[in-house]
Amino acid sequence: AQTVTQSQPEMSVQEAETVTLSCTYDTSESNYYLFWYKQPPSRQMILVIRQEAYKQQNATENRFSVNFQKAAKSFSLKISDSQLGDTAMYFCAFMKQTQGGSEKLVFGKGTKLTVNP
Amino acid sequence: KAGVTQTPRYLIKTRGQQVTLSCSPISGHRSVSWYQQTPGQGLQFLFEYFSETQRNKGNFPGRFSGRQFSNSRSEMNVSTLELGDSALYLCASSLGDSFSPLHFGNGTRLTVT
Repeated sequence: AQTVTQSQPEMSVQEAETVTLSCTYDTSESNYYLFWYKQPPSRQMILVIRQEAYKQQNATENRFSVNFQKAAKSFSLKISDSQLGDTAMYFCAFMKQTQGGSEKLVFGKGTKLTVNP
Repeated sequence: KAGVTQTPRYLIKTRGQQVTLSCSPISGHRSVSWYQQTPGQGLQFLFEYFSETQRNKGNFPGRFSGRQFSNSRSEMNVSTLELGDSALYLCASSLGDSFSPLHFGNGTRLTVT
């Protein structure tokens, strides 16, 4: 079974600064996908960024980037130029790759990020 | 495109009752998944439906069931409610293939008293 661990229950950062959220996972699969989701107080889970395990290049989406270390089973999220709207719970998630179908997302417990003005 | 719509947003039920939650996916999405979110257990997968068939199932008791209609809309039913069923229930839709991102709704907050 896959597990996802987020070791930082809470973090805070000053507006315009950079913050890194940690995530480690455990799996025996060789092909899989990793995701970061954001859940603001509105409750809706919003996809921030995703990474295919077979791609060595780290994914980036505007101010969001990941540091994917497959051998270490580590998938951290870096948020640059933090904005007040980035305040939210951030969840790291794992999905096993299948042929044609889809699998469940396995989530970490989340990191509550607060961006201070 | 309209997003994933979940109704109702809030529900209060009594132990022993049953409840039905509804989810309308994004147009064109054929997969609908359900997740339960609680402070203690976090986000846990309930089940996934694709083209009206249950394709994946999590480790929940048989009191939790679901179905999907021909228009891809999905319902989730919980019978004989227990206090521990109080949670935020999230629905997500996708195209249904690997790596298609899941698009979540705003959830239904169920409180069992």
